[in-house]
Amino acid sequence: DAGVTQSPTHLIKTRGQQVTLRCSPKSGHDTVSWYQQALGQGPQFIFQYYEEEERQRGNFPDRFSGHQFPNYSSELNVNALLLGDSALYLCASSSAPGQGSHEQYFGPGTRLTVT
Amino acid sequence: AQKITQTQPGMFVQEKEAVTLDCTYDTSDQSYGLFWYKQPSSGEMIFLIYQGSYDEQNATEGRYSLNFQKARKSANLVISASQLGDSAMYFCAMREGPDNAGKSTFGDGTTLTVKP
Repeated sequence: DAGVTQSPTHLIKTRGQQVTLRCSPKSGHDTVSWYQQALGQGPQFIFQYYEEEERQRGNFPDRFSGHQFPNYSSELNVNALLLGDSALYLCASSSAPGQGSHEQYFGPGTRLTVT
Repeated sequence: AQKITQTQPGMFVQEKEAVTLDCTYDTSDQSYGLFWYKQPSSGEMIFLIYQGSYDEQNATEGRYSLNFQKARKSANLVISASQLGDSAMYFCAMREGPDNAGKSTFGDGTTLTVKP
């Protein structure tokens, strides 16, 4: 049973560029959440996708956008990269509200460096 | 707004001893879930233990137990019989929403070092 997978593992981009990160949820999960973790800090919630729609959003600018596909996998897009976007980006999968499960599983993360 | 506070940036414990990692939270919700995660240097967030706000018994999972004091809004993690492999960053988190399935709010973490 595959857990949450993310790609790529590491990424180096230049300021102003755009980046796309990918996530496949754990088998049986249909909800994907994205988090940004700066060095030495706890993860910060970016947004959550369920049924191909953004359900909740954290305090992140519109440069951060996402998408969920019919197979429940998800992408995180960041436009006009800033140095401050350098962080570990974590994807987490879970069951949708109402399905009685609070469990949330995290992927290994994508480490983004903006130069 | 939900807030998680972890006041111990770093903790040391001798191998085979027990250690308590502190976590206090703030929320206006009546229903919420409290979680502890371990994050090794590799970066992956590993789920350790969960406590629902309506659970009357403290949660336990092997060597991990959660000391839940609702009136004090605290959810401390107790690790018994520490092992060298327990050295890592530990995060306390809260989930909101129906079935505690909404966004997670994390603290800033505690770095635990287990000494041989």
